[in-house]
Amino acid sequence: AQKVTQAQTEISVVEKEDVTLDCVYETRDTTYYLFWYKQPPSGELVFLIRRNSFDEQNEISGRYSWNFQKSTSSFNFTITASQVVDSAVYFCALSEVSGTYKYIFGTGTRLKVLA
Amino acid sequence: DAGVIQSPRHEVTEMGQEVTLRCKPISGHDYLFWYRQTMMRGLELLIYFNNNVPIDDSGMPEDRFSAKMPNASFSTLKIQPSEPRDSAVYFCASRPTHSGANVLTFGAGSRLTVL
Repeated sequence: AQKVTQAQTEISVVEKEDVTLDCVYETRDTTYYLFWYKQPPSGELVFLIRRNSFDEQNEISGRYSWNFQKSTSSFNFTITASQVVDSAVYFCALSEVSGTYKYIFGTGTRLKVLA
Repeated sequence: DAGVIQSPRHEVTEMGQEVTLRCKPISGHDYLFWYRQTMMRGLELLIYFNNNVPIDDSGMPEDRFSAKMPNASFSTLKIQPSEPRDSAVYFCASRPTHSGANVLTFGAGSRLTVL
């Protein structure tokens, strides 16, 4: 069965600190997609990144970076020099490539960035 | 593109009343998903459609819940009769068919409160 675990329920940091959100997944598929979504206080779910299982290159987008390690089934998300606007709940998700294409979401990590 | 449009954004009703939530997916998206978000259970997939046909409704909690997609641009999620435990945020999401774009775009959500 597929499963996504975000063990950190809530993290608080002071502005300008770096913070890493952990995501560990389980799947028997050899091909799959991993995602991160952001849910700010306003409530909408905003897509941040997609990574397919064949691409283990890390990715950087501004202050955001993602570390995908297939060997440990992890897809961690780091925010560098955090800002108050980064305060949100962040969800990691796993999707099959074939068949149902269903997303399995983790339980989310609430990030609070304090000024 | 207007994105995924959901209505109403907020609904307060009394136990036993019928509730209908509406969703307009992004034009050209062949898949439509209904999710429910609660504090206790996180993001749960209720049902999804492909080309207007329900593919998997295994997440629908019980017979009080029903969903339809009469055409490519409209879907409804109905709860009859509603109960206080149905209080949640209901998200609709859509995505196109081709596997290279397996990214779900979410609507803003419908926050349902059943008194």
